[in-house]
Amino acid sequence: GAVVSQHPSRVICKSGTSVKIECRSLDFQATTMFWYRQFPKQSLMLMATSNEGSKATYEQGVEKDKFLINHASLTLSTLTVTSAHPEDSSFYICSARDPRGTGNTIYFGEGSWLTVV
Amino acid sequence: DAKTTQPNSMESNEEEPVHLPCNHSTISGTDYIHWYRQLPSQGPEYVIHGLTSNVNNRMASLAIAEDRKSSTLILHRATLRDAAVYYCILRDVGSSNTGKLIFGQGTTLQVKP
Repeated sequence: GAVVSQHPSRVICKSGTSVKIECRSLDFQATTMFWYRQFPKQSLMLMATSNEGSKATYEQGVEKDKFLINHASLTLSTLTVTSAHPEDSSFYICSARDPRGTGNTIYFGEGSWLTVV
Repeated sequence: DAKTTQPNSMESNEEEPVHLPCNHSTISGTDYIHWYRQLPSQGPEYVIHGLTSNVNNRMASLAIAEDRKSSTLILHRATLRDAAVYYCILRDVGSSNTGKLIFGQGTTLQVKP
């Protein structure tokens, strides 16, 4: 079964509203999680690094005030898309490194489809 | 991060082996070679990784060139469920690494029945 889970898997929201996506590590604690965005027929683009107990680190060109990230516990990170617009419609994916064993395995969530209408 | 180069797409017939190449000529000594795959509308899935020696697991094999400047992911018997985008990614597992992966365009594998 999944070791990193996202919720919701699909969400539709109205333009101008905010929507929150959750990412949970189910079997391990993750001090760091990652958020990606993927447009159709394109590769994953790293948006930000979510750090437990501290501020997220955003990649260049990603608006931190628009994509709010909260990592309040070792198993949960949330991404909130604020004042969503149709161009924010995308597939959002999170990931976390499993620290157990060699620590080399990174698990991804199932992804969350966001449609802004 | 060191860059990888992969063909945009490849085709295979079901039940036949598939060799997916990846070039990484600027690989550093501390870079591991990771392969992930992404099925349609799903998050990426770990396939295999290696450093210098060839690696085998239940999903695939990874053949790494002696100079480490290229590698090949081998699916021994392709099935229709193997149709996906395959990403070859270099990951530095030095002390500063936390699991950050930078994705290239990957190779879209089509499997024909």
